[in-house]
Amino acid sequence: KQEVTQIPAALSVPEGENLVLNCSFTDSAIYNLQWFRQDPGKGLTSLLLIQSSQREQTSGRLNASLDKSSGRSTLYIAASQPGDSATYLCAVRPGYNTDKLIFGTGTRLQVFP
Amino acid sequence: DAGITQSPRYKITETGRQVTLMCHQTWSHSYMFWYRQDLGHGLRLIYYSAAADITDKGEVPDGYVVSRSKTENFPLTLESATRSQTSVYFCASTGLALTDTQYFGPGTRLTVL
Repeated sequence: KQEVTQIPAALSVPEGENLVLNCSFTDSAIYNLQWFRQDPGKGLTSLLLIQSSQREQTSGRLNASLDKSSGRSTLYIAASQPGDSATYLCAVRPGYNTDKLIFGTGTRLQVFP
Repeated sequence: DAGITQSPRYKITETGRQVTLMCHQTWSHSYMFWYRQDLGHGLRLIYYSAAADITDKGEVPDGYVVSRSKTENFPLTLESATRSQTSVYFCASTGLALTDTQYFGPGTRLTVL
């Protein structure tokens, strides 16, 4: 059974720091992996989607990497800002025809001025 | 406004009552999903729909009913609400393929007393 883990559960950093959020999954046979952002009281916003054949994806200050063999993905945030404060969730899709996204429980990030 | 909307945003009901949560999207996306989000469990898929009149169970379907008579609407009904169904419910949609990025609504916070 695929399980997705995000450690740490919470992280607090000063503005300007570069930081890495971690996502681990137990079964390397995945189709793709997504990173989402969730603001308090809001829905999820997709940040990056990495296909299983890709090693990384970039969008602005965000860079997500994928190492299927080790069951890990990282989300790198450069030059963090207070507006980056949110909960970050990763989700894996186990296969092409599966309806299911398996979510981690998230990392709550606070960036203070 | 275009996008995906949910109503109501907040709902308090009593055990045994029937409750319907609404989801509407303006993109004509084929796929729509219902998730629940609970502390310690992350997001779990309740039901999904590949097109109008096509629905299928997700991970935690018991106690819920869905319908999809029109592409843009995907209501979720709790036939006889229980306290264990207190949760935040998110609707999501995706357009071209099941494996594409999912777009989430803002959520409905449901409390069952």
